[in-house]
Amino acid sequence: KQEVTQIPAALSVPEGENLVLNCSFTDSAIYNLQWFRQDPGKGLTSLLLIQSSQREQTSGRLNASLDKSSGRSTLYIAASQPGDSATYLCAVTRGGADGLTFGKGTHLIIQP
Amino acid sequence: KAGVTQTPRYLIKTRGQQVTLSCSPISGHRSVSWYQQTPGQGLQFLFEYFSETQRNKGNFPGRFSGRQFSNSRSEMNVSTLELGDSALYLCASKGQGQSYEQYFGPGTRLTVT
Repeated sequence: KQEVTQIPAALSVPEGENLVLNCSFTDSAIYNLQWFRQDPGKGLTSLLLIQSSQREQTSGRLNASLDKSSGRSTLYIAASQPGDSATYLCAVTRGGADGLTFGKGTHLIIQP
Repeated sequence: KAGVTQTPRYLIKTRGQQVTLSCSPISGHRSVSWYQQTPGQGLQFLFEYFSETQRNKGNFPGRFSGRQFSNSRSEMNVSTLELGDSALYLCASKGQGQSYEQYFGPGTRLTVT
């Protein structure tokens, strides 16, 4: 059974810092990995998707990497801003009809 | 293109009642998945529908059911509600591209009293 772990569970940093969120998964037979952002009481916003054949994806200040063989992914946020405060979730899937398996998330607070 | 929409956004029900939640996927998407989010268990997969057929189901009791219509809209039903069913219910749609990227709606907040 696939298990996804995210470390740290919570993180508070001053504005402007670069930071790294970690995600690990136990079964490397994944089709893709998605990083999401969730604001309190809201749905999920897709940030980045990395297919299993890819090593990284970038969008603006965000960069996600994937090491499928070791079961790890990182989300790098450059020059953090207060608006980045949210819960960040990673999820993996085997594709097709398979659902997403989520980690418990990292609750991020960026202090102004 | 409009995103995934869910109705209603908030619901309050009593134990023992049943509830139906609705999800409209992004136009052109034929796959709809449902997830339950609770503080204790996090996000858990309920089931996935494609072209009106349930293709996959998570580890939830039979009280949780769903269906999909020919226009790809989906409904989820929970019968005999329990206090533990209080959660945020999210649906997601995905297109037929090779990425299997999923797009989520805003969710329905269900409170069972």
